[in-house]
Amino acid sequence: DAKTTQPPSMDCAEGRAANLPCNHSTISGNEYVYWYRQIHSQGPQYIIHGLKNNETNEMASLIITEDRKSSTLILPHATLRDTAVYYCIVRVRGSNYKLTFGKGTLLTVNP
Amino acid sequence: GAVVSQHPSRVICKSGTSVKIECRSLDFQATTMFWYRQFPKQSLMLMATSNEGSKATYEQGVEKDKFLINHASLTLSTLTVTSAHPEDSSFYICSARDLTQAEAFFGQGTRLTVV
Repeated sequence: DAKTTQPPSMDCAEGRAANLPCNHSTISGNEYVYWYRQIHSQGPQYIIHGLKNNETNEMASLIITEDRKSSTLILPHATLRDTAVYYCIVRVRGSNYKLTFGKGTLLTVNP
Repeated sequence: GAVVSQHPSRVICKSGTSVKIECRSLDFQATTMFWYRQFPKQSLMLMATSNEGSKATYEQGVEKDKFLINHASLTLSTLTVTSAHPEDSSFYICSARDLTQAEAFFGQGTRLTVV
């Protein structure tokens, strides 16, 4: 699986959009970008995934650059409960679902 | 999304004893489950892949005789930490693959403290 790079921490004001970047410059054509988050002392929670098109669900939007070397997770209206570590993971879809976690980004949403 | 349940959520045990952690997929069948370990302020590290009806596959550096994994049914995998020591104190998390969906789902984790 391709390696990802994320900033160690970010801050966001409550109610504002949180934009979390991820670099995956060595991504290959059959690798998807997955985002998970981990709230303190809980198991990771799936957020969204995509291949090359932008994706949106009830939790977030995923914007993938045209060259697929980077992506941005957008939480449109961050709340205090969105404070968590966000992990960007690149992997081949349909493989054994073994996930390799990096250090992620600690997003702190401030009141 | 699919639900994965871990039990217990917290356990304290004495050094030298064994502890069993259960991971259940509540609304789907999971042929493959994964066990992770997370030390404070660190990321999740995969310990082993649990396959229903066959032996688990352990990651390099994980002692298979210390961390016993059993995946006897399509909805249950167990991790037994044998002869636990204080250095085994950690947050243990399982995940399961739902064949009908594209992503893996995680349990809520088990905080193990060995005293």
